[in-house]
Amino acid sequence: EAGVVQSPRYKIIEKKQPVAFWCNPISGHNTLYWYRQNLGQGPELLIRYENEEAVDDSQLPKDRFSAERLKGVDSTLKIQPAELGDSAVYLCASSDVGEQYFGPGTRLTVT
Amino acid sequence: RKEVEQDPGPFNVPEGATVAFNCTYSNSASQSFFWYRQDCRKEPKLLMSVYSSGNEDGRFTAQLNRASQYISLLIRDSKLSDSATYLCVVMGNDMRFGAGTRLTVKP
Repeated sequence: EAGVVQSPRYKIIEKKQPVAFWCNPISGHNTLYWYRQNLGQGPELLIRYENEEAVDDSQLPKDRFSAERLKGVDSTLKIQPAELGDSAVYLCASSDVGEQYFGPGTRLTVT
Repeated sequence: RKEVEQDPGPFNVPEGATVAFNCTYSNSASQSFFWYRQDCRKEPKLLMSVYSSGNEDGRFTAQLNRASQYISLLIRDSKLSDSATYLCVVMGNDMRFGAGTRLTVKP
């Protein structure tokens, strides 16, 4: 069974540029999560979807971050404009009941 | 105060040692608890769920104390391959991760 797929794996951009990350969850998983993980820290939840509905986006910095999951399957996370402090690993995870399965993440570097 | 707190370590132990990690959480309404393992530059993976009665999986034992809002993970007979960061995860209305405890097992 294919796991959670994310792309790109690495991204380097200059500050003030836009960037987008893509996630394809495990087939049949209705719940999708986006996390941000800074070096030496645990993942921090940005947004959680149940099918196509965002049920928890309280930690998403809405002035520059946006996310969508239009058909309740794959999802995109966008940052516009990026700031230096956005450098981190962006992890996508999906779950059916209980355990979350994580993708490999996108390592973003903002210069 | 952070919602989930862990001793960041690092813990450096010899092979065969027993090591214990602790985690405290602040939300008394939390319902589910997990330990995840994260290898360097890899994604987190579920190690084990934590049940109220305590549970064991081979060399790993997890315990939960709801009254003290405390979770523990015990690793017996440490192997080199146990070297990783161990993340405590608490689920209430959402998932909250601790910052992780880094373990290095040395020959």
